[in-house]
Amino acid sequence: GAGVSQSPSNKVTEKGKDVELRCDPISGHTALYWYRQSLGQGLEFLIYFQGNSAPDKSGLPSDRFSAERTGGSVSTLTIQRTQQEDSAVYLCASSADGPTIYFGEGSWLTVV
Amino acid sequence: QQQVKQSPQSLIVQKGGISIINCAYENTAFDYFPWYQQFPGKGPALLIAIRPDVSEKKEGRFTISFNKSAKQFSLHIMDSQPGDSATYFCAASDFGNEKLTFGTGTRLTIIP
Repeated sequence: GAGVSQSPSNKVTEKGKDVELRCDPISGHTALYWYRQSLGQGLEFLIYFQGNSAPDKSGLPSDRFSAERTGGSVSTLTIQRTQQEDSAVYLCASSADGPTIYFGEGSWLTVV
Repeated sequence: QQQVKQSPQSLIVQKGGISIINCAYENTAFDYFPWYQQFPGKGPALLIAIRPDVSEKKEGRFTISFNKSAKQFSLHIMDSQPGDSATYFCAASDFGNEKLTFGTGTRLTIIP
């Protein structure tokens, strides 16, 4: 696609349920990033993929969070046993060679 | 230290005026400094970026000023327009560390 595509765009889930957020990066981009943005806050780094491997997963806040990337393309961020503090916008970004990254529009997660 | 400090948190400027947002960093290994613009409900979009080998970069009404010795950089928006009303994030990264470290954002409002 022309840009980074994320789904779902909005998700409301009950506390304790698992959620999966999907990211489809720009075609040909080898690097993929997940960031989290809480209401009115900055962007918090979660995890970085180069191809299918994740050399930097230092930002994952707890073991309830995991992510994978398959085929060097689509990535899924999974949050298990969701908590209210997980409510945020989850932003995916991708890049080719170099530091310029391009963001998707985000998946808005609300845990009730 | 990976922190990037951004100020002010919010800014109101009259149409036609100059908007100035400042950032400071601590990690001297940082060598790439982008600014992102984010409209409500959208993902951040790259606005302009600079490397430390120059002290200023201008693109249209947007200018980055960079002071390597002070470890500071700023975004100047000349002839500010209502359409510039958005949240602006500074960021930084260093070669070999692909993730961007973001400032906390500045909510800019341009009033008529």
